[in-house]
Amino acid sequence: DAGVIQSPRHEVTEMGQEVTLRCKPISGHNSLFWYRQTMMRGLELLIYFNNNVPIDDSGMPEDRFSAKMPNASFSTLKIQPSEPRDSAVYFCASSPNVGGYTFGSGTRLTVV
Amino acid sequence: DAKTTQPNSMESNEEEPVHLPCNHSTISGTDYIHWYRQLPSQGPEYVIHGLTSNVNNRMASLAIAEDRKSSTLILHRATLRDAAVYYCIPNAGGTSYGKLTFGQGTILTVHP
Repeated sequence: DAGVIQSPRHEVTEMGQEVTLRCKPISGHNSLFWYRQTMMRGLELLIYFNNNVPIDDSGMPEDRFSAKMPNASFSTLKIQPSEPRDSAVYFCASSPNVGGYTFGSGTRLTVV
Repeated sequence: DAKTTQPNSMESNEEEPVHLPCNHSTISGTDYIHWYRQLPSQGPEYVIHGLTSNVNNRMASLAIAEDRKSSTLILHRATLRDAAVYYCIPNAGGTSYGKLTFGQGTILTVHP
């Protein structure tokens, strides 16, 4: 079991550029979550999917953020245009119906 | 979501037991109590969860008060690898199961 796989591990981009973060959940897990972590705000849930359908996106900060899950094995989180305040570590997690979350190693995003 | 209160930080010596408390006085009758921990530079990892009865697994034990307004995570013999931020998270079952809201947690320092 390779766990939840996120890419890239690190991303440095200039303000205004589009950023796409990727996540491959654990096979058989039917829920997927995107979190953002900063020193100031801690871990924040951005959006979560169940069976590839977005269930709650109330944590998405604004229209610049969008997330998709085209199939059970892949999800993306896109920021367009990116801003310096989007700098954070972005975590993807997946879970089965009953059981704990498994988190990926995260993507550290720096927007300069 | 039920509010939680955890100490900001705790310290322990290696190979000693550690009791990490959490108050969740507004917990509802159907909320499970989840514990996660986050090691430095890693994503959070599941530790244990329970509803009413005390729970044990290979990582830790969870003691839940009879009125369910508090719980204690017990690490029976702390190791240096247990140094992490520990999060206590009340969470509803059923369709809301997937939405875990992380607070600030307790920073555990383990001394050799």
